[in-house]
Amino acid sequence: DGGITQSPKYLFRKEGQNVTLSCEQNLNHDAMYWYRQDPGQGLRLIYYSQIVNDFQKGDIAEGYSVSREKKESFPLTVTSAQKNPTAFYLCASSITLAGSTDTQYFGPGTRLTVL
Amino acid sequence: SQQGEEDPQALSIQEGENATMNCSYKTSINNLQWYRQNSGRGLVHLILIRSNEREKHSGRLRVTLDTSKKSSSLLITASRAADTASYFCATGQNRDDKIIFGKGTRLHILP
Repeated sequence: DGGITQSPKYLFRKEGQNVTLSCEQNLNHDAMYWYRQDPGQGLRLIYYSQIVNDFQKGDIAEGYSVSREKKESFPLTVTSAQKNPTAFYLCASSITLAGSTDTQYFGPGTRLTVL
Repeated sequence: SQQGEEDPQALSIQEGENATMNCSYKTSINNLQWYRQNSGRGLVHLILIRSNEREKHSGRLRVTLDTSKKSSSLLITASRAADTASYFCATGQNRDDKIIFGKGTRLHILP
């Protein structure tokens, strides 16, 4: 099956700890994205990557870090510097990074709760 | 940065009725997409309409785009319980490679 997976589905973290969210795709897409969604809100872009070993900050990158060592993987680390990390995190991919025509394919999301 | 703004924020209708939600945006766009999100899930792409198109259909979905008013509408005909979800518009701007999502309309179909 082709698709995009995220793990874990639920994640609990103590304050002051870093945590890494996994995102894997087997769609052979070049571009990958991380979004944050708060209750009743839209999606806010954290980081995105057009190609392996390259990524750019989105609108709310502070307190987050990413890597793109492989085309199929784009893990997100939520660091202790992120002041309000409790949220629903969504990973997405698209064939290319093109606001013009590309559809984004989303993973099922990871719900992070900081205790 | 928020580009699209959906209206209404929430909508409840009886099953079988038509549901209409709107999206307004501020700057010129290359295309506009609509996505659906079931509670606690990822988003699913519904339809894309380009800036040179005025109307597009997909099954029970009809999307219109009025670039002069900078607005789009999504019509779901003959609604079903399974249509209960949040619906987001996302715009692709000419000068930017990223698409930007609105805050969404929460649609609830009553039995």
